[in-house]
Amino acid sequence: NAGVTQTPKFQVLKTGQSMTLQCAQDMNHNSMYWYRQDPGMGLRLIYYSASEGTTDKGEVPNGYNVSRLNKREFSLRLESAAPSQTSVYFCASTRTALEKLFFGSGTQLSVL
Amino acid sequence: KQEVTQIPAALSVPEGENLVLNCSFTDSAIYNLQWFRQDPGKGLTSLLLIQSSQREQTSGRLNASLDKSSGRSTLYIAASQPGDSATYLCAETGGAGGFKTIFGAGTRLFVKA
Repeated sequence: NAGVTQTPKFQVLKTGQSMTLQCAQDMNHNSMYWYRQDPGMGLRLIYYSASEGTTDKGEVPNGYNVSRLNKREFSLRLESAAPSQTSVYFCASTRTALEKLFFGSGTQLSVL
Repeated sequence: KQEVTQIPAALSVPEGENLVLNCSFTDSAIYNLQWFRQDPGKGLTSLLLIQSSQREQTSGRLNASLDKSSGRSTLYIAASQPGDSATYLCAETGGAGGFKTIFGAGTRLFVKA
């Protein structure tokens, strides 16, 4: 009954450090997404993967890279963290783009 | 460009009141619209999804409607309860965005006991 699992739940980085946020889903979903949520701005799409082997940019891709490792896993990498990347990051998945989105519980990231 | 707007940003009502949350979108090639609930410090939970061919969906005390021609959706909550206090977000998936799902900023609802 895991659904969408994100790790870590909390992370503090120094400016310039790198890290990878992990996401895995066990629902055999085809599409996976990474969003960031900032106060008063809703969720903004960073990158998405419509199906295994494909990735595309969303609204705010700069400073991020992604890897769709297999059908289950979709990771988000910050190569050189900046304070502007302080945010809550959510991973989501869906069987097709036309069906309900299922979300993970989020990663709270602070960049000092 | 896909844009989703939610008004009001915050709403406070007494327990038992019926209320309506509003969502507007710009994508004329909408495929579906979803309403989500988010509790503080938590992820999002999908409440209702309306396909573009549908006019409304109902789940318990919740009813969501979709009017493609005006670019509007509403979420009606009947007989509100303190447990309904949360942030409600709408999200649109459409052709203008290449099947991307774009979110509004949300309406923070507080139901007073």
